[in-house]
Amino acid sequence: DIQMTQSPSTLSASVGDRVTITCRASQSISTWLAWYQLRPGKAPKLLIYTASTLESGVPSRFSGSGSGTEFTLTISSLQPDDFATYYCQQYHTYWTFGQGTKVEIK
Amino acid sequence: EVQLLESGGDLIQAGGSLRLSCAASGFTFTAYAMSWVRQAPGKGLEWVSTISDSGRTIYYADSVRGRFTISRDDFKSAVFLQMNSLRVDDTAVYYCAKDRGGHCSGANCHLDSDYWGQGTLVTVSS
Repeated sequence: DIQMTQSPSTLSASVGDRVTITCRASQSISTWLAWYQLRPGKAPKLLIYTASTLESGVPSRFSGSGSGTEFTLTISSLQPDDFATYYCQQYHTYWTFGQGTKVEIK
Repeated sequence: EVQLLESGGDLIQAGGSLRLSCAASGFTFTAYAMSWVRQAPGKGLEWVSTISDSGRTIYYADSVRGRFTISRDDFKSAVFLQMNSLRVDDTAVYYCAKDRGGHCSGANCHLDSDYWGQGTLVTVSS
């Protein structure tokens, strides 16, 4: 099974900050990686797929990079709606999520 | 507009059965694979099951294989999750998700989930 390890598990930041979340795969997954945002009481939202493709309608302050085993999600300037929990997901072999990164207000 | 509406969540005793439904609209249902993902209280997301566009290819997480059954009704544009032999650790919000494509073969399905429902809560008591 492919394991996904996200870091950090919690991140404290302020509006306007640049934020980076890392996701590592236990083996190469090429670019078969997605990032999702979860906010309480809302449907999960796809942000990025194939590691770096921005989903339609997602603000351009979100970006993804990486391939193989190392991936990052970057929010260039944190907005109030961005305080949420973020998950990476590999879909190279079946599906596995990282354990999540909670972005909280500093 | 894509809409996914889950239903069927309930409070149930361990060992019991429950059937979740997901009504889909706003897209050509027969062209897409569909998935179920869950989130236990205070925990992260866990993939549960995926069914291909044709229904002929089905995948399960090890934690539910042999107890859960995914199915789809293309006439009703709905996907279902039959959950048997429920355990306390099956307690979670269950999300229905539309996958980006339809076809799957072997272990390399290569489909992310581009739309999700708001979830339905399943609580299994001891």
